[in-house]
Amino acid sequence: DAGVIQSPRHEVTEMGQEVTLRCKPISGHNSLFWYRQTMMRGLELLIYFNNNVPIDDSGMPEDRFSAKMPNASFSTLKIQPSEPRDSAVYFCASSFLTGLSTEAFFGQGTRLTVV
Amino acid sequence: AQKITQTQPGMFVQEKEAVTLDCTYDTSDPSYGLFWYKQPSSGEMIFLIYQGSYDQQNATEGRYSLNFQKARKSANLVISASQLGDSAMYFCAMREGTTGRRALTFGSGTRLQVQP
Repeated sequence: DAGVIQSPRHEVTEMGQEVTLRCKPISGHNSLFWYRQTMMRGLELLIYFNNNVPIDDSGMPEDRFSAKMPNASFSTLKIQPSEPRDSAVYFCASSFLTGLSTEAFFGQGTRLTVV
Repeated sequence: AQKITQTQPGMFVQEKEAVTLDCTYDTSDPSYGLFWYKQPSSGEMIFLIYQGSYDQQNATEGRYSLNFQKARKSANLVISASQLGDSAMYFCAMREGTTGRRALTFGSGTRLQVQP
C-alpha cells in the first residue's frame, strides 16, 4: 500500500480564498483523523471519522472549517474563507482501530500558507 | 489541562550515547495506550513504539525502549546508541480506552540533536 496520500503537498493562497485539502487513507482502515500542526499549538486534532462518520469534531476551529468523508477512500478538509492564521501543516492520518494499540499512519502533510 | 507533557523543548546527545526523552501524562481512564512518534526535518510522522497501560513489561523496539512508570504517570523514551539520523522532533501521544476519545492526543514535542 502507498500509505496515506495527501494533496496538495504545498498550497499558497490569498486571504479570503477557499482551500480544499484532500486525503486518501490506507485501504481497509476504518478511522481517519485530520490534525493541524503549528509552532504555537503543536499537533491538534481537528476531526475524527470512524467508518466515514464524523465522531469528534470538537477541534474544528470555527465554521470556516468543514470536513467530509463521502466514502472510505477519500476525505476533504475545506477552509472557506481562509485567513493568515490558518497557515499550518495539515496532516491526515488513518488507522484500523481495533483496540488501544493500533497506531495511526500519517500522510506527508499539506503545508498551507495564507497570505 | 495538558494531558501529555514533554518538558524538554530540546536535547543534545553525542553520537553513540543513550538519551532519554521525558513524557508525563494525565488521565483518569484505567485503560490507555502511549505512543512515541518521530518527525524528521522532512516532516513525516513515524511511529516508533507503543506501551499499553496494562502491559507488565516495558516496550522495546530495536534501539528504542520505553521506561514506563505507571504510578508516576511517566512514559519516557530511551534511545540507545544514538545515530545522526535520530536527529528529529519526538512526540509522545496517548489514546484513552474507555472514557476518552480514540484519537491520539500529542505532547508539544522534544527536538533531539545528535552531535558527531
